[in-house]
Amino acid sequence: AQKITQTQPGMFVQEKEAVTLDCTYDTSDPSYGLFWYKQPSSGEMIFLIYQGSYDQQNATEGRYSLNFQKARKSANLVISASQLGDSAMYFCAMREGYISSGSARQLTFGSGTQLTVLP
Amino acid sequence: EAQVTQNPRYLITVTGKKLTVTCSQNMNHEYMSWYRQDPGLGLRQIYYSMNVEVTDKGDVPEGYKVSRKEKRNFPLILESPSPNQTSLYFCASSFLETQYFGPGTRLLVL
Repeated sequence: AQKITQTQPGMFVQEKEAVTLDCTYDTSDPSYGLFWYKQPSSGEMIFLIYQGSYDQQNATEGRYSLNFQKARKSANLVISASQLGDSAMYFCAMREGYISSGSARQLTFGSGTQLTVLP
Repeated sequence: EAQVTQNPRYLITVTGKKLTVTCSQNMNHEYMSWYRQDPGLGLRQIYYSMNVEVTDKGDVPEGYKVSRKEKRNFPLILESPSPNQTSLYFCASSFLETQYFGPGTRLLVL
């Protein structure tokens, strides 16, 4: 089974509107972390936001928020007030297991969602 | 500026010609890793290192080697590249939770 599923290969949104990118995950480990990365056409991977499995509140970073629904195993990214510069590929990723200075930190990535912001 | 650097950024080579992609970080991170990105597959981990002289395989290690002789450097070695190793490669480093990625290396093996 896929550990990270992003069901939307492509999304369009009008500039200044909000958009939600879907991500569901599968793990039996009680300790895990969820991440969103942005990859513009230039290719670099830009960290956007992180949510820990024990965090009580949804993570927010500026215009980005993570809608974390633990029981449903979903971690959707919400981008408010979309800008043309938000056009990019977006990846959801998960790290399983308790993290410490000596632990492995493998990230498992979804296949990504290509977001296009329309003027 | 805190960063992860990779060289070269672009490389075209031929089957069987050994190559090395360098990775360096200036954040004193213990953990470093290599990923490859292929269309429709997201990123998959090749190798990781939890500290100097400590390396281990990720999900797709076949055809690759790594070494970690210094904390800041984590080179990826392709002893005998093949066309199926044509991909976009990322090096990443982290202290605890968040992994920071290098700019990527686009490799084409003919």
